[in-house]
Amino acid sequence: DIQMTQSPSSLSASVGDRVTITCRASQSIGAYLNWYQQKPGKAPKFLIYGASTLDSGVPSRFSGSGSGTEFTLTISSLQPDDFATYHCQQSHSFPWTFGPGTKVDIK
Amino acid sequence: QVQLQESGPGLVKPSETLSLTCSVSGASITSYYWTWVRQPPGKGLEWIGFFYYSGSPNYSPSLQSRVTISVDTSKNEVSLKLRSVTAADTAIYYCARQSMGPVAGTGYYFDSWGQGTLVTVSS
Repeated sequence: DIQMTQSPSSLSASVGDRVTITCRASQSIGAYLNWYQQKPGKAPKFLIYGASTLDSGVPSRFSGSGSGTEFTLTISSLQPDDFATYHCQQSHSFPWTFGPGTKVDIK
Repeated sequence: QVQLQESGPGLVKPSETLSLTCSVSGASITSYYWTWVRQPPGKGLEWIGFFYYSGSPNYSPSLQSRVTISVDTSKNEVSLKLRSVTAADTAIYYCARQSMGPVAGTGYYFDSWGQGTLVTVSS
């Protein structure tokens, strides 16, 4: 199985901050990397596919980059609605696997 | 807009079978792949498997011996059965629609999710 790791596991930030989350795969997955946002008690919400393509309606302050084994999710200016846990997920090889999540909370 | 709604017992006894249904509205069950994901309380997400009505299901190897995913096209529903459950199967279970990007090399993703249903395995 491809193991996904994320760093940091959690971070505290303020509204307006630039936030970067890193996701690493245990082997090369090309651009088969997706990102999801999850708020407490809610289902995950799809944000980005193919490492860098935003889903329709996702604010442009979100961006994704990377390929191979290292990927980043960046929020250019953190907004109150962005405090949540972010999960990466690979769809390169079965079984599809998720990272452990990165919790973004208010400083 | 597609909507998914999971339903089923919230409590299952050890060694019994967990059975959940996902009702889909706003999209035909025959037009997409459908997947199940679970999340133990306070933990990360785990992919269980997916089903496409005209193809073979694909299951996570860690659950393959115990899981069955199927669809009922007459009801536009997706079902999950997990046999011989233990406390380790206690989780929130989500159904999701699985789509593929229009560009080659971008793979599949889960673009619409149900609200999830908590299943506790306990005697």
